[in-house]
Amino acid sequence: RKEVEQDPGPFNVPEGATVAFNCTYSNSASQSFFWYRQDCRKEPKLLMSVYSSGNEDGRFTAQLNRASQYISLLIRDSKLSDSATYLCVVNRAGGTSYGKLTFGQGTILTVHP
Amino acid sequence: GAVVSQHPSWVICKSGTSVKIECRSLDFQATTMFWYRQFPKQSLMLMATSNEGSKATYEQGVEKDKFLINHASLTLSTLTVTSAHPEDSSFYICSARDLSGGFNTGELFFGEGSRLTVL
Repeated sequence: RKEVEQDPGPFNVPEGATVAFNCTYSNSASQSFFWYRQDCRKEPKLLMSVYSSGNEDGRFTAQLNRASQYISLLIRDSKLSDSATYLCVVNRAGGTSYGKLTFGQGTILTVHP
Repeated sequence: GAVVSQHPSWVICKSGTSVKIECRSLDFQATTMFWYRQFPKQSLMLMATSNEGSKATYEQGVEKDKFLINHASLTLSTLTVTSAHPEDSSFYICSARDLSGGFNTGELFFGEGSRLTVL
């Protein structure tokens, strides 16, 4: 079983649609969770951190369920510029392991006019 | 904001040669940097943790003699792919932590990546 599993998609949605991505992780000791965005042939960029209480940043909402070891990302009112690969990322246990990120394989999103 | 820079962005080399990739933190000091590798249509995989002033720690399955890491200063880590072969062709990305906010809260920044093609 992979440490971080995502539905690879691709998701093809029209502008304005709402789309949700799911992710599960296997290491219950994981402490930090993130969604990154990666454009083609570019480095990943942090989209948002994910907290147990859930957090929202504009059109993006992230949720974490530690009991189920499940992370989600919801994108509302999709824009063409949202087209990218979305990476579910888990940080290993803290201390000196902080920064050792485990990436899911990514979910490809294409938003079309 | 903090920036991590990698050089070169692209490199093409012949099989058997060695290639050095630099990772610099431009406006913060990084005692720890991380090297990742991404093959086409695959996820990023952590290769090793680069520690300033000490040996790098490698992930399981990564050959330390093949991928030499040197963290000579608080702003520079280098990855040298020795005797490169076509199967080493990949996208190599470094990341570094800005610890100014505390040990376990430092934000991670990624370099732009270096695309290696071995002929």
